[in-house]
Amino acid sequence: DTGVSQDPRHKITKRGQNVTFRCDPISEHNRLYWYRQTLGQGPEFLTYFQNEAQLEKSRLLSDRFSAERPKGSFSTLEIQRTEQGDSAMYLCASSATTGRANYGYTFGSGTRLTVV
Amino acid sequence: GIQVEQSPPDLILQEGANSTLRCNFSDSVNNLQWFHQNPWGQLINLFYIPSGTKQNGRLSATTVATERYSLLYISSSQTTDSGVYFCAVGGGTASKLTFGTGTRLQVTL
Repeated sequence: DTGVSQDPRHKITKRGQNVTFRCDPISEHNRLYWYRQTLGQGPEFLTYFQNEAQLEKSRLLSDRFSAERPKGSFSTLEIQRTEQGDSAMYLCASSATTGRANYGYTFGSGTRLTVV
Repeated sequence: GIQVEQSPPDLILQEGANSTLRCNFSDSVNNLQWFHQNPWGQLINLFYIPSGTKQNGRLSATTVATERYSLLYISSSQTTDSGVYFCAVGGGTASKLTFGTGTRLQVTL
């Protein structure tokens, strides 16, 4: 168990460019979550998957954001036509839903996005 | 949506002191977790505690679901306990979480 891995750790992009982030969850976890955190705030929910199915997407998420988990393993989060307001830490977490008494999240180290 | 309030917002302790952090939430929940975000930004899960009491070393937590609050106790604090403590709640056992604004703890020598 190597934990939740996120790549890249940092991304600087120009306004208007597209970016894609990757998350590799703990292998036996079937749920994967994306959150966004800005300075001084708690993480804010974006979307989550159970296996390959996207179960919920935040209403705060614009159409420029899309996430996939094609084979129920790793996930990608893409932001199209980035804006300065997209600058934040993007966090991925995973958890189990069956066979365990503890459904606690394990978070990755995050991808810090800066849009210039 | 559900509201989560944490208190105090900031706390400064001397090493060795004890503290209690509080989390109030506005609706019934089936999922409550406490996290520690260290100064490098990593979020560490401390407890999954939708009800009852748990202990892990110097940390313990109690959730009284019927009264919609949870408490995190830190005993004999150490400088490595510094960071931000978040309470997060959700409606389902493995659901999305709504985070509070956190308690920023600084432990000094």
